[in-house]
Amino acid sequence: GEDVEQSLFLSVREGDSSVINCTYTDSSSTYLYWYKQEPGAGLQLLTYIFSNMDMKQDQRLTVLLNKKDKHLSLRIADTQTGDSAIYFCAESSGTALIFGKGTTLSVSS
Amino acid sequence: EAQVTQNPRYLITVTGKKLTVTCSQNMNHEYMSWYRQDPGLGLRQIYYSMNVEVTDKGDVPEGYKVSRKEKRNFPLILESPSPNQTSLYFCASYPGTSWDEQFFGPGTRLTVL
Repeated sequence: GEDVEQSLFLSVREGDSSVINCTYTDSSSTYLYWYKQEPGAGLQLLTYIFSNMDMKQDQRLTVLLNKKDKHLSLRIADTQTGDSAIYFCAESSGTALIFGKGTTLSVSS
Repeated sequence: EAQVTQNPRYLITVTGKKLTVTCSQNMNHEYMSWYRQDPGLGLRQIYYSMNVEVTDKGDVPEGYKVSRKEKRNFPLILESPSPNQTSLYFCASYPGTSWDEQFFGPGTRLTVL
């Protein structure tokens, strides 16, 4: 079945770039998503990319998609302490979004 | 304001005591679903509903029931909760067209003693 893999933790210093990586298995996914979950809160859609795109940029966020390798990444430029959260990548699969286990991003000042 | 609401937000209960977590959406979405979130496991879908009176199992349905008697509500029922159902639960709704329009509720943190 479909599976989405992410590394569990990432620690960066304020002002650095963060790169969160994700691999997925379902090559038929039309869209791939990045969600952010702040402590004690629900999931917030950060950005998404259509499967026929290689890159999408939205202010400090850059999403790269390598469809051949089924690899998705989220780059956060100039990471701030407010970016500390859990980040989930997800692929669409018919009746559900399949989520990765989440990457906890810790930003130190 | 478009939103998904869940109640209660926090619940501590004991093994075997039936409970219901309510979920309501005001966007007239056809599709609703329940997820549970556990550390190191991410979000896993419990049940989903594609319309009124249409429900189906997700990846981890054991120990749960749902009903969809009206479009806006999708309650999650634990007939006999057990400690392994201690988790953070999210309800979500989406219109059935594109997943970027999926809304998540704020979550219900359930502890079963």
